[in-house]
Amino acid sequence: DAGVIQSPRHEVTEMGQEVTLRCKPISGHNSLFWYRQTMMRGLELLIYFNNNVPIDDSGMPEDRFSAKMPNASFSTLKIQPSEPRDSAVYFCASTYGGGWETQYFGPGTRLLVL
Amino acid sequence: QQQVKQSPQSLIVQKGGISIINCAYENTAFDYFPWYQQFPGKGPALLIAIRPDVSEKKEGRFTISFNKSAKQFSLHIMDSQPGDSATYFCAASILGGGNKLTFGTGTQLKVEL
Repeated sequence: DAGVIQSPRHEVTEMGQEVTLRCKPISGHNSLFWYRQTMMRGLELLIYFNNNVPIDDSGMPEDRFSAKMPNASFSTLKIQPSEPRDSAVYFCASTYGGGWETQYFGPGTRLLVL
Repeated sequence: QQQVKQSPQSLIVQKGGISIINCAYENTAFDYFPWYQQFPGKGPALLIAIRPDVSEKKEGRFTISFNKSAKQFSLHIMDSQPGDSATYFCAASILGGGNKLTFGTGTQLKVEL
């Protein structure tokens, strides 16, 4: 399996622009997680889906952030409008089941908002 | 209530030495405690995990020690190698909680020759 796939790997944009991050989970996995990593705040869970349904979005920082999972093989995280403080590495992870199964992380998208 | 506190923030160990990273939690409902390892430019990857029914788990040079009464757990890396240089995150989750992990703040480990 190719693992969790994220695109783009790097994104540089200007403040106010819309940013869309994409994730393809591992085939067969039914849970998907979006994380944000910064030096100041570490690794934060933004939102997670189970069977394509958003379960917990309490980590989404504000209304500028939205996430969708239209099917089992694709998810997006959108920031509109983007701000410099959104600069971070965004990770997508997937897993199977609701127990103690391992979360498999993608390589991340490094976002820089100027 | 869902925090996991991790220390130290950074650690330098000589090759062959023992690296020790500590974590503490408050939520007694946590029942799964994994450690993730992250190399620069990569996503975190599961290293080793423990459930609270045991006090220790060992996999090769990596050992988790778990103290349920103190609500603490730690990662020990024996015979540390330069290739172990990475950032280590402890985490915790609740069975039935959708595998939602709460991560510690991370420890940047450097193993020097």
